[in-house]
Amino acid sequence: SQELEQSPQSLIVQEGKNLTINCTSSKTLYGLYWYKQKYGEGLIFLMMLQKGGEEKSHEKITAKLDEKKQQSSLHITASQPSHAGIYLCGAGQGAQKLVFGQGTRLTINP
Amino acid sequence: DAGVTQSPTHLIKTRGQQVTLRCSPKSGHDTVSWYQQALGQGPQFIFQYYEEEERQRGNFPDRFSGHQFPNYSSELNVNALLLGDSALYLCASSLLTDTQYFGPGTRLTVL
Repeated sequence: SQELEQSPQSLIVQEGKNLTINCTSSKTLYGLYWYKQKYGEGLIFLMMLQKGGEEKSHEKITAKLDEKKQQSSLHITASQPSHAGIYLCGAGQGAQKLVFGQGTRLTINP
Repeated sequence: DAGVTQSPTHLIKTRGQQVTLRCSPKSGHDTVSWYQQALGQGPQFIFQYYEEEERQRGNFPDRFSGHQFPNYSSELNVNALLLGDSALYLCASSLLTDTQYFGPGTRLTVL
């Protein structure tokens, strides 16, 4: 079965700094989803990547899928307090079941 | 346009009891998936419903069952509750081959 490992597990950065979260899969990724979760709440869809080398951006968040389709990264530029939360990567195709990583808890210090 | 809604928000039960959680999908969506998220972990897939049938199932015991209604809403039932069933239960809706959108979750505490 597919497993996703996220690193780091937690991250504390100063407001305005850049940061990167990684997601590594045990198998080839045919669909990679990034979600954000506020503590104890639902998941908010950020982006979906499918093709090797694909890169997508939304506001100050950029996600990439490597050429071999086994690793994805999420990069936040000039972090803000609103970026704080738990970031989750999930693997799946279409509406198939998603397998998630354990999450990365991001704290932004003023 | 209303997103995915879940009820109740919080629930407290005792061991051995039964619980029903409810989910209304986003308008236009026909597929509902349920996930269990333990504290500090990523969500784990329980099952998925499409056209009122269970389409996929994760590694959960038969104590976990579900239903989808003709209006695409869904219920998750858990029988004989265990302490380990305490978790955030998330519902996600989608079109069959599209991105899953999640509801706010139901926090279940088993005492």
